Amino acid sequence: NAGVMQNPRHLVRRRGQEARLRCSPMKGHSHVYWYRQLPEEGLKFMVYLQKENIIDESGMPKERFSAEFPKEGPSILRIQQVVRGDSAAYFCASSPQPLSTEAFFGQGTRLTVV
Amino acid sequence: EDQVTQSPEALRLQEGESSSLNCSYTVSGLRGLFWYRQDPGKGPEFLFTLYSAGEEKEKERLKATLTKKESFLHITAPKPEDSATYLCAGLTGGGNKLTFGTGTQLKVEL
Repeated sequence: NAGVMQNPRHLVRRRGQEARLRCSPMKGHSHVYWYRQLPEEGLKFMVYLQKENIIDESGMPKERFSAEFPKEGPSILRIQQVVRGDSAAYFCASSPQPLSTEAFFGQGTRLTVV
Repeated sequence: EDQVTQSPEALRLQEGESSSLNCSYTVSGLRGLFWYRQDPGKGPEFLFTLYSAGEEKEKERLKATLTKKESFLHITAPKPEDSATYLCAGLTGGGNKLTFGTGTQLKVEL
């Protein structure tokens, strides 16, 4: 049973380009959460999705960031027109039901904006 | 505002020297307290979830406890392979999100 799969593991983008980060949850998990970890800071909640629905996006920046979790395929976190301040590690977690039990994280995507 | 504070920021132990890590929280409507281990360049690895004051959970050399204001992660007779950053997080926001502390970086030396 594979864990939470994120790809790519490392992504380099020039300022102004788009970044697309993918997350495949564990088998049987229909709840996905995205977190961002800036250098020297803790993990910060961004968004919580279920299949085809955004449940809580209170941690998402108002502009340039969007997330989806389609009926088929992985969850996608998209960052448009990236800036240097977007450089961070982005982690996805999944759970079989709303976060009242275990939540398992992927290995993350490390985004570097040059 | 929900807040989770971990101490110390860094801890260096000799192999076999037991100690405790602290996680204090001010979270409205806390629904659970999570502990994770994170190795450099990796994602957080789930350890425990605690739900109510007085609850304890154990896994190998680790034991987590919870009171109404804080949680402790006790490490008994640690080994070098226990070296990692230990994160705690409070489950908030109606059960939708984890509010993380900044972690305790543990190094266990021979």
